[in-house]
Amino acid sequence: GAVVSQHPSWVICKSGTSVKIECRSLDFQATTMFWYRQFPKQSLMLMATSNEGSKATYEQGVEKDKFLINHASLTLSTLTVTSAHPEDSSFYICSAKTSGYTGELFFGEGSRLTVL
Amino acid sequence: GNSVTQMEGPVTLSEEAFLTINCTYTATGYPSLFWYVQYPGEGLQLLLKATKADDKGSNKGFEATYRKETTSFHLEKGSVQVSDSAVYFCALSATTDSWGKLQFGAGTQVVVTP
Repeated sequence: GAVVSQHPSWVICKSGTSVKIECRSLDFQATTMFWYRQFPKQSLMLMATSNEGSKATYEQGVEKDKFLINHASLTLSTLTVTSAHPEDSSFYICSAKTSGYTGELFFGEGSRLTVL
Repeated sequence: GNSVTQMEGPVTLSEEAFLTINCTYTATGYPSLFWYVQYPGEGLQLLLKATKADDKGSNKGFEATYRKETTSFHLEKGSVQVSDSAVYFCALSATTDSWGKLQFGAGTQVVVTP
């Protein structure tokens, strides 16, 4: 089946630094990808919808200047957490949609960010 | 707004026991409903789905029926195996949202012991 890969799977950084997380669709083209955030023992919360070649659409309450999303190609979307702080520590998960209005969704393995 | 509520875990069962995970939702219109499973160290995988009322999704021995009258989509399996140990997420895609935007429940961890 289709595979979506996230990198890195875990990262530790110092407060104030920026961290980039990649989401790649390995064997299909994804015009749309989604970024979620998951707190411990809580559900996945949608952060933004990433569309290839255009600006991301952010959910209410998500700071677009804090969480920069770039979808520069049909197989890659990146999430950059800028000036990270300990409260940004979380599990970040992406999903990618195959083509078509009701395309299938495939999820990455997730990336755990710890900000010291 | 739209929301999904599922039973808290962990749910611990013996092999061959019957599994039920309750899921109820709140949404306007006619959402599509999903169950995803996350095995340790892996990404979420679609387990089954239903796109309209009274539809039954089924896969790998798991079943769930879209009940609009009770706004529920409970997951069931008649005889679980140790390999079914995972976290199960109920989710919906609202008709008012673009396809692919999912609202998730909190997830239910299932532990099956030999």
